[in-house]
Amino acid sequence: AQRVTQPEKLLSVFKGAPVELKCNYSYSGSPELFWYVQYSRQRLQLLLRHISRESIKGFTADLNKGETSFHLKKPFAQEEDSAMYYCALKGRGSTLGRLYFGRGTQLTVWP
Amino acid sequence: EAGVAQSPRYKIIEKRQSVAFWCNPISGHATLYWYQQILGQGPKLLIQFQNNGVVDDSQLPKDRFSAERLKGVDSTLKIQPAKLEDSAVYLCASSPTSRKNAYEQYFGPGTRLTVT
Repeated sequence: AQRVTQPEKLLSVFKGAPVELKCNYSYSGSPELFWYVQYSRQRLQLLLRHISRESIKGFTADLNKGETSFHLKKPFAQEEDSAMYYCALKGRGSTLGRLYFGRGTQLTVWP
Repeated sequence: EAGVAQSPRYKIIEKRQSVAFWCNPISGHATLYWYQQILGQGPKLLIQFQNNGVVDDSQLPKDRFSAERLKGVDSTLKIQPAKLEDSAVYLCASSPTSRKNAYEQYFGPGTRLTVT
């Protein structure tokens, strides 16, 4: 079964500290994984996707198939990074297009 | 370009009443999704439309939930009758038609439903 697990509901760091938001998935085959972010009073929006191997707002995420993980990392957190972060897995086959979301991690960056 | 629009933004109803939500996707987006997000959880897909046809409604509680997208643009989601456990944020999303960009979903602001 397709499943996404985000073990941390809350995560707090100080400005300038490294941050890592954990995401583990359950999927048979090659997954397509994403990170979505929701800033306060804003809409849920795509942050990055693993296939593009890009860095957005200083965030990167590497797919580790051996550990079935897709952790989101940033070397130096900023206050404006405070938001809700969701890891998502895209379905295949009959569920093409469906996104399976984790429960989310609320990141707070203190000044 | 204008984003995904949803209305109403908030709705409070009593259990056993009916409620309807409306969504207008981004112009040109053929695929439309309705998600339910219960407090403390991630969004869960209820139904996916491709133009005006249903692609996936496997997680839609069909005894009380219904959705339509008659002209392949706007969509409505209805709950009849509502239960306390339907209290949630209902999110509408749309995505472009090209397969390359099909994975990027654009979300609306959501409708927060409270059932008392």
